[in-house]
Amino acid sequence: GAVVSQHPSWVICKSGTSVKIECRSLDFQATTMFWYRQFPKQSLMLMATSNEGSKATYEQGVEKDKFLINHASLTLSTLTVTSAHPEDSSFYICSAADLNIYEQYFGPGTRLTVT
Amino acid sequence: AQKVTQAQTEISVVEKEDVTLDCVYETRDTTYYLFWYKQPPSGELVFLIRRNSFDEQNEISGRYSWNFQKSTSSFNFTITASQVVDSAVYFCALSDGNNRLAFGKGNQVVVIP
Repeated sequence: GAVVSQHPSWVICKSGTSVKIECRSLDFQATTMFWYRQFPKQSLMLMATSNEGSKATYEQGVEKDKFLINHASLTLSTLTVTSAHPEDSSFYICSAADLNIYEQYFGPGTRLTVT
Repeated sequence: AQKVTQAQTEISVVEKEDVTLDCVYETRDTTYYLFWYKQPPSGELVFLIRRNSFDEQNEISGRYSWNFQKSTSSFNFTITASQVVDSAVYFCALSDGNNRLAFGKGNQVVVIP
């Protein structure tokens, strides 16, 4: 199956700083990527849909100015958590869609801890 | 709006017992996809199955089997002869026409040796 990577796998940052998470599709082109957030012992919640070359579409309740998404190429999407606070600590998971075969592949996740 | 309900939160079974995880979904779409994923403690989601709304055939893959019933909007998952390695959180998910996934709350399965 196709491979999606995320970098970093974990990150600790101080409150007020920004952190960038990368999501890459390694062996296919993904016109669409998705970002999910998962709090401990909870489900995955879709944050936004990222389309290559256009603005991301955010789900209701997700602050677009706080979670900046850029999808500059067919293999890379980035999520930047700006002015991070402890309540942003979570597990962030991306997925990449290969629309040719209607498959969606998940990255391994990034664990963010804001101190 | 898409909605997925997994009523059981934590299920404990003794090794070699069977365990069934219930999944009930709501959607207004006529074309949709249903999924099951496994999330072990490492956190990485493991894809188990995808089923489209027009394919109501049940499926068996090794010790795993799935029962899809559109009449009751359910897509249940059974692990036969459970093993310790099956201990994980299992998520049922529903996709709309734009690939956006709505996940259920998950079932924590604990297999006791």
